[in-house]
Amino acid sequence: EVQLLESGGGLVQPGGSLRLSCAASGFTFSSYAMSWVRQAPGKGLEWVSAISGSGGSTYYADSVKGRFTISRDNSKNTLYLQMNSLRAEDTAVYYCAKGPIVVVVAGAYYFDYWGQGTLVTVSS
Amino acid sequence: QSVLTQPPSVSGAPGQRVTISCTGSSSNIGAGYDVHWYQQLPGTAPKLLIYGNSNRPSGVPDRFSGSKSGTSASLAITGLQAEDEADYYCQSYDSSLSGFWVFGGGTKLTVL
Repeated sequence: EVQLLESGGGLVQPGGSLRLSCAASGFTFSSYAMSWVRQAPGKGLEWVSAISGSGGSTYYADSVKGRFTISRDNSKNTLYLQMNSLRAEDTAVYYCAKGPIVVVVAGAYYFDYWGQGTLVTVSS
Repeated sequence: QSVLTQPPSVSGAPGQRVTISCTGSSSNIGAGYDVHWYQQLPGTAPKLLIYGNSNRPSGVPDRFSGSKSGTSASLAITGLQAEDEADYYCQSYDSSLSGFWVFGGGTKLTVL
């Protein structure tokens, strides 16, 4: 059974940093691309970042480019999201989501399993 | 404003059929990119419902079906049940400058 467990969320001041983790189990982690998707309170879903199975290719939404860094440790079956220069508008539940294959194929990429999410609140 | 447009809400009585539309443009759905659908029950994480326009993952009832034509896609739910009450999101790829994977704004389905 595929399981994705996020951690690391919390309250942080504007301009601060936070690192999210996602522990994966139930599948061969290195064989699948992974993503982070967020949902602001009462709002819809927004894709944030993606990474290939090897970690060699990364992708970011314009809203987080230059501030967030996605990475993975395949030896630990763990996905990360380093978030710097946080803003109030980054407040959201952050979901870790598994892709269907090892690479990120533009038109055929979707999210077949999701974690339960971790809440990030940016406020003074 | 979402790149993909969905109606904010739809409703139907138990047993009825409802459809949820997802309207895009020539830089996403109209460019031939696949559309995928997710169901988010209250207080839970999203769940993949339809992938590749019309394919159902294992375990998803055949009451759920997807289609795509031109710059739009649709999710149909037949034999509506109380447990179908949820938010539904479409997702595709967008090749414009802002790029990458985009979601619709979501549609709240109410079972009357």
